[in-house]
Amino acid sequence: DTGVSQDPRHKITKRGQNVTFRCDPISEHNRLYWYRQTLGQGPEFLTYFQNEAQLEKSRLLSDRFSAERPKGSFSTLEIQRTEQGDSAMYLCASSLGSEINQPQHFGDGTRLSIL
Amino acid sequence: AQSVTQLGSHVSVSEGALVLLRCNYSSSVPPYLFWYVQYPNQGLQLLLKYTSAATLVKGINGFEAEFKKSETSFHLTKPSAHMSDAAEYFCAVSEYPNAGKSTFGDGTTLTVKP
Repeated sequence: DTGVSQDPRHKITKRGQNVTFRCDPISEHNRLYWYRQTLGQGPEFLTYFQNEAQLEKSRLLSDRFSAERPKGSFSTLEIQRTEQGDSAMYLCASSLGSEINQPQHFGDGTRLSIL
Repeated sequence: AQSVTQLGSHVSVSEGALVLLRCNYSSSVPPYLFWYVQYPNQGLQLLLKYTSAATLVKGINGFEAEFKKSETSFHLTKPSAHMSDAAEYFCAVSEYPNAGKSTFGDGTTLTVKP
């Protein structure tokens, strides 16, 4: 169990640029979640996958956001035409199934700063 | 819809004193409840979870929480604070069938004074 890995840890970019983040879940975990956390607030659910299928997307996830999980392993979250309001910590979590006895394991996040 | 309210965005205690962090939830179905801890620039670590079994739940690092349905509360306590407990704490709720999709409170920052 090497834990959930996120890359990069920090990303600084100019407004209007596209960015892509990667999440590598714990290897046997079939569920993968993306959350966004802004300063002074708790994480907000964005989307989740079961294997390669994206099962739910929050209304927070505008058309500029897209997430994929090809082959049901790692996942990417892309933000197109970034805006100031996209500055946040993006957290990834994974779990083995959705049952309550299979808790989520969180990565250390990718902090995005928009100049 | 589910929601969580954490009362008090900042709590300060002396080392050795009781820690009490408050959480109230709203859920249309019997909830699953969680407490997480987050250290600076890190992800969230699960402290404990309520799964409709025992109402008093014991977690890691000496923390425990009691589920009170009548009060819709799930407050986190620790009898004696350590300096290493200084961190941000989040209460979260999720609903069957997706225990993994959680709604989080805004967090409580715990400061421990020597």
